[in-house]
Amino acid sequence: DQQVKQNSPSLSVQEGRISILNCDYTNSMFDYFLWYKKYPAEGPTFLISISSIKDKNEDGRFTVFLNKSAKHLSLHIVPSQPGDSAVYFCAARFGDQFYFGTGTSLTVIP
Amino acid sequence: NAGVTQTPKFQVLKTGQSMTLQCAQDMNHNSMYWYRQDPGMGLRLIYYSASEGTTDKGEVPNGYNVSRLNKREFSLRLESAAPSQTSVYFCASSEERRRDEQFFGPGTRLTVL
Repeated sequence: DQQVKQNSPSLSVQEGRISILNCDYTNSMFDYFLWYKKYPAEGPTFLISISSIKDKNEDGRFTVFLNKSAKHLSLHIVPSQPGDSAVYFCAARFGDQFYFGTGTSLTVIP
Repeated sequence: NAGVTQTPKFQVLKTGQSMTLQCAQDMNHNSMYWYRQDPGMGLRLIYYSASEGTTDKGEVPNGYNVSRLNKREFSLRLESAAPSQTSVYFCASSEERRRDEQFFGPGTRLTVL
């Protein structure tokens, strides 16, 4: 039973445009939400997080939005760059436990 | 500063064999984690250790054991490997006050025949 879902397995975006990656969750007890980026044959790397008491967090080109009533979060990347091409994982924390989504493969086309 | 290191990088086992996956971090982190990544399943937490001397089960602990040998090292043991344990295994660590930001190792690709 997947508590964190990423329903889009892949996304293609033109360089310079906005990339929007989406994530849904089922457990209202999650207190932190995170995004990780993963290149092939490497471990995931942390991108950005948001506390459940906030609705937006911004770090450079990356912004995460949280809609608690809809149990939905999204990652916006503006502007998208070819180096952003990777798999993006959404994750959520409950206590010491972390639950990851299945990932969305982003391709930024030059 | 190597971050999180994992050994081995690749391993092939036969059903029933045992092995230990090693993980070490040099960032003085308190918390360490073991995940497995399977196609279509994302990363799933196997075990974690919030501090030296403590370990707890994650989402998918069956068939695994762990040891937090000291603050730096956290090993994952498969006592009797099964084909269902074919996966990529990632170790991660984090600071106590920034548990949202986990630092991952490069992974171990394990195949059980």
